[in-house]
Amino acid sequence: DGGITQSPKYLFRKEGQNVTLSCEQNLNHDAMYWYRQDPGQGLRLIYYSQIVNDFQKGDIAEGYSVSREKKESFPLTVTSAQKNPTAFYLCASKDRGQGYGYTFGSGTRLTVV
Amino acid sequence: RKEVEQDPGPFNVPEGATVAFNCTYSNSASQSFFWYRQDCRKEPKLLMSVYSSGNEDGRFTAQLNRASQYISLLIRDSKLSDSATYLCVVTGRGSSNTGKLIFGQGTTLQVKP
Repeated sequence: DGGITQSPKYLFRKEGQNVTLSCEQNLNHDAMYWYRQDPGQGLRLIYYSQIVNDFQKGDIAEGYSVSREKKESFPLTVTSAQKNPTAFYLCASKDRGQGYGYTFGSGTRLTVV
Repeated sequence: RKEVEQDPGPFNVPEGATVAFNCTYSNSASQSFFWYRQDCRKEPKLLMSVYSSGNEDGRFTAQLNRASQYISLLIRDSKLSDSATYLCVVTGRGSSNTGKLIFGQGTTLQVKP
């Protein structure tokens, strides 16, 4: 079955560490997105990519980095510059066309310890 | 002003009740509209797209009023399993080529026995 896989499900980061969240899809979608969700808040866009080797900053890109070397993969690195990284991170992909919504991965819950 | 605004609730209703959620959006250029459902600590899942003519899927009815920039979701004959957070989602500025979606903070529904 096609879908999006995020790993790990839970991640703990020490102060000053960089961590990378994995996102892989086998839906043949061109566009992929990273969102962050904080308790009681809506999803906020971190980065997105519409095509391989190209990506754009979202609304809250500071302290994050991404790459898009393969169509299937869009990893997110949370750097030490991100001062408040504890959140629920969601990866999504989308088919072409206006009328299509996102398919989400199951998310990674990141906690700073 | 937030781009997508929803009453966070919670809405506490008995089984069998009819409940309606409303949502307003600020970008008059938005082209696509969706309702997503998010269970506690899970990823959002597409519930239904929202069309100008209104659309129905079983017990769920979605309406769009472009003139008032207003979207609604009606749930009839509520079930315990309908308990979740319902996210109103619209396409963002310049999203015709990027596919970016803007999420409301969600409305929480709790259906009681």
